[in-house]
Amino acid sequence: DIQLTQSPSFLSASVGDRVTITCRASQGISSYLAWYQQKPGKAPKLLIYAASTLQSGVPSRFSGSGSGTEFTLTISSLQPEDFATYYCQQLNSYQWTFGQGTKVEIK
Amino acid sequence: QVQLVQSGAEVKKPGASVKVSCKVSGYTLTELSMHWVRQAPGKGLEWMGGFDPEDGETIYAQKFQGRVTMTEDTSTDTAYMELSSLRSEDTAVYYCASRRPYCTNGVCYQWADWFDPWGQGTLVTVSS
Repeated sequence: DIQLTQSPSFLSASVGDRVTITCRASQGISSYLAWYQQKPGKAPKLLIYAASTLQSGVPSRFSGSGSGTEFTLTISSLQPEDFATYYCQQLNSYQWTFGQGTKVEIK
Repeated sequence: QVQLVQSGAEVKKPGASVKVSCKVSGYTLTELSMHWVRQAPGKGLEWMGGFDPEDGETIYAQKFQGRVTMTEDTSTDTAYMELSSLRSEDTAVYYCASRRPYCTNGVCYQWADWFDPWGQGTLVTVSS
């Protein structure tokens, strides 16, 4: 199975900061990568699919890039509502896997 | 607008089974590929299995093979996930999550490679 490793696992940032989260796949997955945001007690919410396509309704401060084995999620200017945990996810050979998550907290 | 509404919280004893439901509205169940994902307290997301529309069969993660059964009632547009031989480590929030057709840049595809939307989650607590 393909493993996804996110870094960092935890980051502390201030409102207005630019934040970058990395997701590395154990083997190439082309652009079959999605990003989700999860707030406490809530279901995950789709942010980005196909590595770089912004889901409808998601603010443009969120962006995704990458292909193959290395991907990034960037928040250009962190807002108070962005403090949450972020997960990457991939599909390969009908085995879906998630990264372990990155928790973004207020500095 | 697709909406997935799950059944309520459950408390089960070790060795018992639990069956969680996920009611679809806004689409029919046959228009979706339904999956199940769980999240233990304070932990990450774990895919359990789901319907493969290309092959027409349900695929289970190896970890849950033999212990999980996912079914669908298309007459009521409700999906079910049953987990048996429960142990304390199965205490988690269980989510249904769907794949569906999508269009981007003027091109339409039959099945997304991501989950959207998700149900609200069902907490299953396994305790003696």
